[in-house]
Amino acid sequence: AQSVAQPEDQVNVAEGNPLTVKCTYSVSGNPYLFWYVQYPNRGLQFLLKYITGDNLVKGSYGFEAEFNKSQTSFHLKKPSALVSDSALYFCAVRDRKSSASKIIFGSGTRLSIRP
Amino acid sequence: ETGVTQTPRHLVMGMTNKKSLKCEQHLGHNAMYWYKQSAKKPLELMFVYSLEERVENNSVPSRFSPECPNSSHLFLHLHTLQPEDSALYLCASSQGGGGLYTGELFFGEGSRLTVL
Repeated sequence: AQSVAQPEDQVNVAEGNPLTVKCTYSVSGNPYLFWYVQYPNRGLQFLLKYITGDNLVKGSYGFEAEFNKSQTSFHLKKPSALVSDSALYFCAVRDRKSSASKIIFGSGTRLSIRP
Repeated sequence: ETGVTQTPRHLVMGMTNKKSLKCEQHLGHNAMYWYKQSAKKPLELMFVYSLEERVENNSVPSRFSPECPNSSHLFLHLHTLQPEDSALYLCASSQGGGGLYTGELFFGEGSRLTVL
């Protein structure tokens, strides 16, 4: 069975500081991993994905995520936070052998960047 | 602009009304989805259409009726809804999901539904 956990409901960071949003996953096979962002009253926007290869994946808006197979984690990071990064972030996972509809989303982490 | 357009963005309806949500994707994808997003709850997958055939229906009440006339359009027909059906309804599309395709979803902006 697949599952994904985002252990923090909320993360608060000062502008200019580095940020990390945590995600751990469980799949029976090899995973595809995704991060999405949702701004208020908007849909989810695709940020980045891990397929294979380099464990550090770069995405939109200066975000990156690090795939750690031994810890089954895929944490989202950014070296310097902006107030405009404040939003709801979702981690998602899917087994490579399953169809796209089998993607599992985490419960979301609300990121708040204070000026 | 995500390439997935949902209308209307906001809808208020009474419990006896019939209304429809519309989704159109301009990405050439072959699969389309309806998700429900309620406050304090995880995203709920409602329906999946692949190549215009419904391939998943996750125990959704019959007062929700999907329709996929072609690979670019998806509707969600609403009838006799309950106040607890008030939520943000998100349409998404993807290409494949197996083989060469990683199958990430591209979402529309959502339709905020309020049932009185």
